[in-house]
Amino acid sequence: RKEVEQDPGPFNVPEGATVAFNCTYSNSASQSFFWYRQDCRKEPKLLMSVYSSGNEDGRFTAQLNRASQYISLLIRDSKLSDSATYLCVVNQGDSSYKLIFGSGTRLLVRP
Amino acid sequence: EPEVTQTPSHQVTQMGQEVILRCVPISNHLYFYWYRQILGQKVEFLVSFYNNEISEKSEIFDDQFSVERPDGSNFTLKIRSTKLEDSAMYFCASRLRGPTGAFFGQGTRLTVV
Repeated sequence: RKEVEQDPGPFNVPEGATVAFNCTYSNSASQSFFWYRQDCRKEPKLLMSVYSSGNEDGRFTAQLNRASQYISLLIRDSKLSDSATYLCVVNQGDSSYKLIFGSGTRLLVRP
Repeated sequence: EPEVTQTPSHQVTQMGQEVILRCVPISNHLYFYWYRQILGQKVEFLVSFYNNEISEKSEIFDDQFSVERPDGSNFTLKIRSTKLEDSAMYFCASRLRGPTGAFFGQGTRLTVV
């Protein structure tokens, strides 16, 4: 089983749509969780951390289900500028400093 | 806003040559990383560095790779004898202590010919 698994997409949605991405992780000892976005040929940029209680940042909502080892990202009112690849990232735990990346889910927002 | 900076942005080298990729992490960050991304593939962990030593490395990070923090600001990745398959985008990243995300530099595109 892959350490961090995501649906590759692409998700092709109209402007204004709501879209949800899912991610699962294999290591139950994982401690910290993040969503990054990556534009074509650019560096990954931190979008938001994911907390156990769920958290929201404007149009973006992240959820964590530790029992199911599942993370989600919801984007409301999609903008053209949201078109990018969304990366689910997991820190393995206190004794491991590395961040493990999923392969990413590609989002295309059309006019 | 503080950022991670990497130089050069693009490096072309002949197979078998040594390359050094340079990074200046964010100044108060404590953990430093190198990642790579082969075109069209996922971001892969190479090595993490904390308290002036390697804390973890992946299987990719073999004897041909080394990292250094020669002074208080720079963080370098050296590839001793480059292979064609080393062609990739190399990202440096840094973060604070605790459950915080890492911030990435804009990357160095390495092309081995």
